Amino acid sequence: DAGVIQSPRHEVTEMGQEVTLRCKPISGHDYLFWYRQTMMRGLELLIYFNNNVPIDDSGMPEDRFSAKMPNASFSTLKIQPSEPRDSAVYFCASRRGVLGGYTFGSGTRLTVV
Amino acid sequence: QQQVKQSPQSLIVQKGGISIINCAYENTAFDYFPWYQQFPGKGPALLIAIRPDVSEKKEGRVTISFNKSAKQFSLHIMDSQPGDSATYFCAASNYGGSQGNLIFGKGTKLSVKP
Repeated sequence: DAGVIQSPRHEVTEMGQEVTLRCKPISGHDYLFWYRQTMMRGLELLIYFNNNVPIDDSGMPEDRFSAKMPNASFSTLKIQPSEPRDSAVYFCASRRGVLGGYTFGSGTRLTVV
Repeated sequence: QQQVKQSPQSLIVQKGGISIINCAYENTAFDYFPWYQQFPGKGPALLIAIRPDVSEKKEGRVTISFNKSAKQFSLHIMDSQPGDSATYFCAASNYGGSQGNLIFGKGTKLSVKP
Protein backbone atom coordinates (compact mmCIF):
# COMPACT_ATOMS: atom_id res chain seq x y z
CA ASP A 1 0.00 0.00 0.00
CA ALA A 2 1.28 3.48 -0.84
CA GLY A 3 0.11 4.90 2.46
CA VAL A 4 -1.76 8.16 2.90
CA ILE A 5 -0.98 10.42 -0.04
CA GLN A 6 -1.12 14.19 0.29
CA SER A 7 -0.66 16.84 -2.36
CA PRO A 8 0.92 19.22 -2.87
CA ARG A 9 3.94 18.74 -0.59
CA HIS A 10 4.61 22.46 -0.53
CA GLU A 11 2.35 25.38 -1.32
CA VAL A 12 3.27 29.06 -1.33
CA THR A 13 0.44 31.46 -1.96
CA GLU A 14 -0.39 35.10 -1.52
CA MET A 15 -2.74 36.34 1.14
CA GLY A 16 -6.33 36.32 -0.06
CA GLN A 17 -5.90 33.46 -2.49
CA GLU A 18 -7.77 30.18 -2.29
CA VAL A 19 -5.77 27.12 -1.28
CA THR A 20 -6.85 23.49 -1.72
CA LEU A 21 -5.06 20.64 -0.04
CA ARG A 22 -5.72 17.06 -1.12
CA CYS A 23 -5.61 13.69 0.58
CA LYS A 24 -6.00 10.09 -0.53
CA PRO A 25 -6.46 7.78 2.48
CA ILE A 26 -5.42 4.16 2.65
CA SER A 27 -7.91 1.89 0.91
CA GLY A 28 -10.28 0.33 3.42
CA HIS A 29 -9.75 2.98 6.08
CA ASP A 30 -13.09 4.44 7.09
CA TYR A 31 -11.85 7.34 9.22
CA LEU A 32 -10.06 10.38 7.84
CA PHE A 33 -8.57 13.20 9.90
CA TRP A 34 -7.16 16.59 9.02
CA TYR A 35 -4.56 18.02 11.44
CA ARG A 36 -2.64 21.29 11.47
CA GLN A 37 0.84 21.43 12.98
CA THR A 38 2.56 24.59 14.20
CA MET A 39 5.39 25.19 16.62
CA MET A 40 3.15 27.12 18.98
CA ARG A 41 0.10 24.84 19.05
CA GLY A 42 1.47 21.44 18.09
CA LEU A 43 -0.88 19.02 16.32
CA GLU A 44 -4.44 20.30 16.22
CA LEU A 45 -7.36 18.25 14.96
CA LEU A 46 -9.33 20.31 12.46
CA ILE A 47 -12.01 17.88 11.32
CA TYR A 48 -12.62 14.19 10.91
CA PHE A 49 -14.82 12.02 8.73
CA ASN A 50 -16.28 8.57 9.22
CA ASN A 51 -17.48 6.80 6.08
CA ASN A 52 -17.18 10.09 4.17
CA VAL A 53 -19.45 11.95 6.61
CA PRO A 54 -18.05 14.85 8.64
CA ILE A 55 -18.40 13.95 12.31
CA ASP A 56 -16.69 16.75 14.18
CA ASP A 57 -15.52 20.03 12.69
CA SER A 58 -15.19 21.91 15.95
CA GLY A 59 -11.46 22.32 15.36
CA MET A 60 -11.88 24.23 12.14
CA PRO A 61 -10.57 27.70 12.99
CA GLU A 62 -13.20 29.74 11.17
CA ASP A 63 -15.49 29.87 8.19
CA ARG A 64 -12.58 30.39 5.83
CA PHE A 65 -11.80 26.69 6.29
CA SER A 66 -13.89 23.95 4.71
CA ALA A 67 -13.38 20.25 4.12
CA LYS A 68 -15.09 17.70 1.93
CA MET A 69 -14.89 13.98 1.37
CA PRO A 70 -16.86 13.20 -1.80
CA ASN A 71 -15.87 9.53 -1.75
CA ALA A 72 -13.89 7.01 0.27
CA SER A 73 -10.66 7.69 -1.58
CA PHE A 74 -10.44 11.47 -1.63
CA SER A 75 -10.71 14.45 0.66
CA THR A 76 -9.95 18.15 0.34
CA LEU A 77 -9.26 20.93 2.79
CA LYS A 78 -9.89 24.38 1.39
CA ILE A 79 -8.91 27.76 2.79
CA GLN A 80 -10.57 30.79 1.23
CA PRO A 81 -9.31 33.47 1.60
CA SER A 82 -5.94 32.44 2.97
CA GLU A 83 -4.10 34.53 5.57
CA PRO A 84 -0.46 34.51 6.75
CA ARG A 85 -1.51 32.99 10.09
CA ASP A 86 -2.70 29.91 8.19
CA SER A 87 0.94 29.06 7.44
CA ALA A 88 1.53 25.60 8.91
CA VAL A 89 2.00 21.97 7.98
CA TYR A 90 -1.31 20.27 7.30
CA PHE A 91 -1.51 16.52 7.81
CA CYS A 92 -4.10 14.04 6.71
CA ALA A 93 -4.38 10.72 8.55
CA SER A 94 -6.58 7.70 8.09
CA ARG A 95 -7.62 4.78 10.28
CA ARG A 96 -9.52 1.52 9.95
CA GLY A 97 -12.26 1.34 12.56
CA VAL A 98 -12.25 2.88 16.02
CA LEU A 99 -9.40 0.70 17.27
CA GLY A 100 -7.16 1.09 14.24
CA GLY A 101 -3.89 2.96 14.43
CA TYR A 102 -3.48 6.28 12.70
CA THR A 103 -1.45 6.44 9.48
CA PHE A 104 -0.33 9.94 8.63
CA GLY A 105 0.58 11.34 5.25
CA SER A 106 3.77 13.32 4.74
CA GLY A 107 1.94 16.61 5.05
CA THR A 108 1.55 19.79 3.03
CA ARG A 109 3.68 22.73 4.10
CA LEU A 110 1.62 25.85 3.45
CA THR A 111 3.17 29.29 3.39
CA VAL A 112 0.92 32.30 2.95
CA VAL A 113 2.79 35.51 2.18
CA GLN B 1 -9.50 18.28 30.78
CA GLN B 2 -8.84 17.12 27.25
CA GLN B 3 -5.22 18.26 27.32
CA VAL B 4 -2.15 16.09 27.34
CA LYS B 5 0.86 17.91 28.77
CA GLN B 6 4.27 16.83 27.51
CA SER B 7 7.75 17.67 28.78
CA PRO B 8 10.46 18.56 28.09
CA GLN B 9 10.02 20.59 24.94
CA SER B 10 13.51 19.62 23.80
CA LEU B 11 16.08 17.09 24.93
CA ILE B 12 19.74 16.54 24.15
CA VAL B 13 21.22 13.16 25.01
CA GLN B 14 24.62 11.65 24.37
CA LYS B 15 24.86 8.50 22.27
CA GLY B 16 24.30 5.50 24.51
CA GLY B 17 22.36 7.47 27.10
CA ILE B 18 18.74 7.18 28.17
CA SER B 19 16.13 9.53 26.75
CA ILE B 20 13.10 10.13 28.95
CA ILE B 21 9.99 12.04 27.91
CA ASN B 22 7.03 12.55 30.22
CA CYS B 23 3.33 13.15 29.70
CA ALA B 24 0.44 13.89 32.02
CA TYR B 25 -3.31 13.88 31.45
CA GLU B 26 -6.45 14.85 33.34
CA ASN B 27 -9.25 12.89 31.71
CA THR B 28 -9.61 9.60 33.59
CA ALA B 29 -11.69 8.23 30.71
CA PHE B 30 -8.60 8.00 28.51
CA ASP B 31 -7.83 4.35 27.86
CA TYR B 32 -5.21 4.30 25.13
CA PHE B 33 -1.80 6.00 25.24
CA PRO B 34 0.37 5.89 22.11
CA TRP B 35 3.67 7.54 21.32
CA TYR B 36 4.42 8.82 17.83
CA GLN B 37 7.79 9.54 16.25
CA GLN B 38 8.19 12.20 13.60
CA PHE B 39 11.23 12.78 11.39
CA PRO B 40 11.67 16.09 9.53
CA GLY B 41 9.49 16.28 6.45
CA LYS B 42 7.46 13.24 7.44
CA GLY B 43 4.19 12.62 9.22
CA PRO B 44 4.10 11.16 12.72
CA ALA B 45 4.37 7.36 12.87
CA LEU B 46 3.23 5.10 15.69
CA LEU B 47 6.17 4.00 17.83
CA ILE B 48 4.58 2.16 20.76
CA ALA B 49 1.32 2.24 22.71
CA ILE B 50 -0.03 1.11 26.07
CA ARG B 51 -3.41 0.56 27.72
CA PRO B 52 -4.02 1.30 31.41
CA ASP B 53 -4.29 -2.35 32.43
CA VAL B 54 -0.48 -2.67 32.36
CA SER B 55 2.17 -0.50 34.01
CA GLU B 56 4.96 -1.06 31.52
CA LYS B 57 5.49 -2.18 27.95
CA LYS B 58 8.84 -2.77 26.28
CA GLU B 59 9.69 -3.13 22.62
CA GLY B 60 13.37 -3.35 21.88
CA ARG B 61 15.12 -0.27 23.26
CA VAL B 62 11.82 1.55 23.85
CA THR B 63 9.74 1.31 27.03
CA ILE B 64 6.49 2.98 28.08
CA SER B 65 5.88 3.34 31.80
CA PHE B 66 2.34 4.08 32.94
CA ASN B 67 1.19 5.37 36.33
CA LYS B 68 -2.59 5.33 36.44
CA SER B 69 -2.94 6.89 39.90
CA ALA B 70 -0.69 9.80 38.98
CA LYS B 71 -2.21 10.07 35.50
CA GLN B 72 1.23 10.08 33.95
CA PHE B 73 3.07 8.05 31.36
CA SER B 74 6.57 8.25 30.01
CA LEU B 75 8.72 7.09 27.13
CA HIS B 76 12.21 5.72 27.76
CA ILE B 77 14.67 5.13 24.94
CA MET B 78 17.62 3.09 26.13
CA ASP B 79 21.03 3.21 24.45
CA SER B 80 19.93 6.25 22.46
CA GLN B 81 21.37 6.51 18.96
CA PRO B 82 21.75 9.46 16.55
CA GLY B 83 19.08 7.80 14.38
CA ASP B 84 16.61 8.29 17.25
CA SER B 85 16.85 12.05 16.75
CA ALA B 86 13.29 13.09 15.96
CA THR B 87 10.26 14.75 17.50
CA TYR B 88 8.21 12.55 19.80
CA PHE B 89 4.54 13.05 20.58
CA CYS B 90 2.54 11.43 23.32
CA ALA B 91 -1.19 11.08 22.83
CA ALA B 92 -4.28 9.81 24.57
CA SER B 93 -7.77 8.78 23.59
CA ASN B 94 -11.00 7.41 24.94
CA TYR B 95 -12.24 4.72 22.61
CA GLY B 96 -15.52 4.42 24.34
CA GLY B 97 -16.47 8.07 24.30
CA SER B 98 -14.92 9.92 21.41
CA GLN B 99 -14.48 7.33 18.69
CA GLY B 100 -10.88 6.91 19.66
CA ASN B 101 -9.75 10.33 18.48
CA LEU B 102 -6.28 11.15 19.67
CA ILE B 103 -5.35 14.18 21.73
CA PHE B 104 -1.67 14.96 21.17
CA GLY B 105 0.93 16.51 23.41
CA LYS B 106 2.95 19.36 21.94
CA GLY B 107 5.99 17.24 21.20
CA THR B 108 9.58 16.81 22.35
CA LYS B 109 12.46 17.37 19.98
CA LEU B 110 15.13 14.79 20.79
CA SER B 111 18.70 15.25 19.61
CA VAL B 112 21.16 12.42 20.22
CA LYS B 113 24.76 13.58 19.97
CA PRO B 114 27.39 11.16 18.63
